[in-house]
Amino acid sequence: AQKVTQAQTEISVVEKEDVTLDCVYETRDTTYYLFWYKQPPSGELVFLIRRNSFDEQNEISGRYSWNFQKSTSSFNFTITASQVVDSAVYFCALGFNPGGGADGLTFGKGTHLIIQP
Amino acid sequence: NAGVTQTPKFRILKIGQSMTLQCTQDMNHNYMYWYRQDPGMGLKLIYYSVGAGITDKGEVPNGYNVSRSTTEDFPLRLELAAPSQTSVYFCASSHTRGLGGELFFGEGSRLTVL
Repeated sequence: AQKVTQAQTEISVVEKEDVTLDCVYETRDTTYYLFWYKQPPSGELVFLIRRNSFDEQNEISGRYSWNFQKSTSSFNFTITASQVVDSAVYFCALGFNPGGGADGLTFGKGTHLIIQP
Repeated sequence: NAGVTQTPKFRILKIGQSMTLQCTQDMNHNYMYWYRQDPGMGLKLIYYSVGAGITDKGEVPNGYNVSRSTTEDFPLRLELAAPSQTSVYFCASSHTRGLGGELFFGEGSRLTVL
């Protein structure tokens, strides 16, 4: 069965601090995809990144970076020099194996990130 | 640039009432999904569709029905509303299956069943 664990329910930091959101996943598939989505207070879900299981290169996009480690089944997300606009709920998600009968993504429960000015 | 549009954004239902959540996308995506999000929880897949005329159950389909008569529309039907269906519902679409494709989400529909 697919499972995504985001152990941090809520994180609160002061603006300009760096913060890392943890994501641990479980899957029996050798081919899979991992995602991060952002849900700001307005409620919509915003795609941040997709990573496939064969590409363990870390990725950096501006203040955002992602660390994918298959050895520990983790896909952590770091925000450098956080800003108030980064305040949101962040979801990590794992792509289903279509052959398993269901489709779509398995989501973690989310981490509520609060950036204080 | 409408993307995925959901209506209504808010609705209050009485127990036993029925309603349909509408979802339409203008990106010509074959794959569409309905998720529900309960407080403090991630999203759970209700139903999905891989193309017009084809639908299948997700993780939590009980109490819901869907249809996909066109590529653009994927309505979600609640036949006999129950308090357990109080949730925020998200429709999403993608050009490939969820395994590798980016999902585009609607803004959500907040449903309360009293």
